[in-house]
Amino acid sequence: AQRVTQPEKLLSVFKGAPVELKCNYSYSGSPELFWYVQYSRQRLQLLLRHISRESIKGFTADLNKGETSFHLKKPFAQEEDSAMYYCALGDRGSTLGRLYFGRGTQLTVWP
Amino acid sequence: ETGVTQTPRHLVMGMTNKKSLKCEQHLGHNAMYWYKQSAKKPLELMFVYNFKEQTENNSVPSRFSPECPNSSHLFLHLHTLQPEDSALYLCASSQDFTGGLYNEQFFGPGTRLTVL
Repeated sequence: AQRVTQPEKLLSVFKGAPVELKCNYSYSGSPELFWYVQYSRQRLQLLLRHISRESIKGFTADLNKGETSFHLKKPFAQEEDSAMYYCALGDRGSTLGRLYFGRGTQLTVWP
Repeated sequence: ETGVTQTPRHLVMGMTNKKSLKCEQHLGHNAMYWYKQSAKKPLELMFVYNFKEQTENNSVPSRFSPECPNSSHLFLHLHTLQPEDSALYLCASSQDFTGGLYNEQFFGPGTRLTVL
C-alpha cells in the first residue's frame, strides 16, 4: 500500500506567488515526515523534517495528524526554488531505518 | 572527495553481463542504503546496512546482490538483469539507525543503468 501520496506531478507558479506542495500519508503509528529536494543536476538532499519545526529557504511544513498531511509551503516563491520535491515518511516503529518516498512533485517557478 | 560518491555514473550492460556498482561515503556514517529510482515508480528502498549488517532486503530479486565490506563501502553486484531493471540507482548513508530515531540521509549522485 502506498504510504505517501503527492497528488501533483507538476506544479507551476510565478515568482512571488505562494506555493504549496501537497503530501498525504497513511500510517497508523507515530510517523516522522521529511521533505527532500533535488535541484537540477544536483543530488537529492534533505530540505526539512517535521520534528525540527524550522523554516528552510523560506519553506515550512506542518504535520497535520487529523488530515494525515504534511504540505510544504512558501509564501513567495523564487526562481531558484524550481526543483523536484519528495515527501518521505519514516516508520518510528521500525528498527530498520526505512523511508517511504512519494512520487515527487516537479515545481517550476516562472520569472 | 567528500560526501557520498558512486561509480560508475553511467553503465550499459547486456542481460548476460555481470557488473558491480560501487558506493563510498566519507562522512563517518554507519548506515548505508541502496535505492532504485525509475520513471514509473517512487523511489524504492532496496537494501539497508546498519553497522555492516544487512537489516533490510525489500523483496529484491536475487539478481541484485549487495555487499558491505565495511561501513564506508557498499556494492551492488548485478547479474542476468532484465531491461526493466534499467533505472537510476542511488546510494545513501546516515549516521546510523537506532530504532525510532531518524538521521538525515545523504545521497550520492546515482548510477544510471541501462540494460539492453
